[in-house]
Amino acid sequence: DIQMTQSPSTLSASVGDRVTITCRASENINSWLAWYQQRPGKAPKLLIYKASTLESGVPSRFSGSGSGTEFTLTIGSLQPDDFATYYCQQYNTYWTFGQGTKVEIK
Amino acid sequence: EVHLVESGGGLVKRGGSLRLSCAASGFTFTSYTMTWVRQAPGKGLEWVSSISSGGTYIYYADSLKGRFTVSRDDAKSSLYLQINSLRADDTAVYYCARVATYCGGDCSFDYWGQGALVIVSS
Repeated sequence: DIQMTQSPSTLSASVGDRVTITCRASENINSWLAWYQQRPGKAPKLLIYKASTLESGVPSRFSGSGSGTEFTLTIGSLQPDDFATYYCQQYNTYWTFGQGTKVEIK
Repeated sequence: EVHLVESGGGLVKRGGSLRLSCAASGFTFTSYTMTWVRQAPGKGLEWVSSISSGGTYIYYADSLKGRFTVSRDDAKSSLYLQINSLRADDTAVYYCARVATYCGGDCSFDYWGQGALVIVSS
């Protein structure tokens, strides 16, 4: 099974900060990686797919990069709505989620 | 507009069974692989099972094989998850989701339902 490891597990930041979350795959997944945002009590929302393609309607302050085994999600300027938990997911072989990164208010 | 609505959750005794349903609308259900994802209280997301269009291919997470059965009724645009021999660690919100098709195969999950809470009591 492909394992996905995110870092950090928790991130404290302020509105306007640039934030980066890292996701590492246990083997090569090419660019078959997605990022999701989940607010408390809500369903996850797809932000980015194929490592760097922004889902329709997602603000351009979100961006993704990477390929192979190392990936990053960057929020260019953190907004109040962005305090949430973020998950990466590989879909190269079945599907596996990372353990999540909680972005909290500093 | 795509809508996915789960139902069938609730309080169930350990060892019992449960069937979750997901009603889909707003898209051609027969054209999509559908999936179940669960989330235990305060924990992360866990992929459970997926079923291809027409039910040709069925996949389960290795750790969950044996007690879970996914199925679909294309005439009713509905997805199902049967869970038997329920255990305390099956307590979770169960989400159904649509698997996107842009990658030429089974891709990320582009639409999600609101989830159904299953609580397994002892």
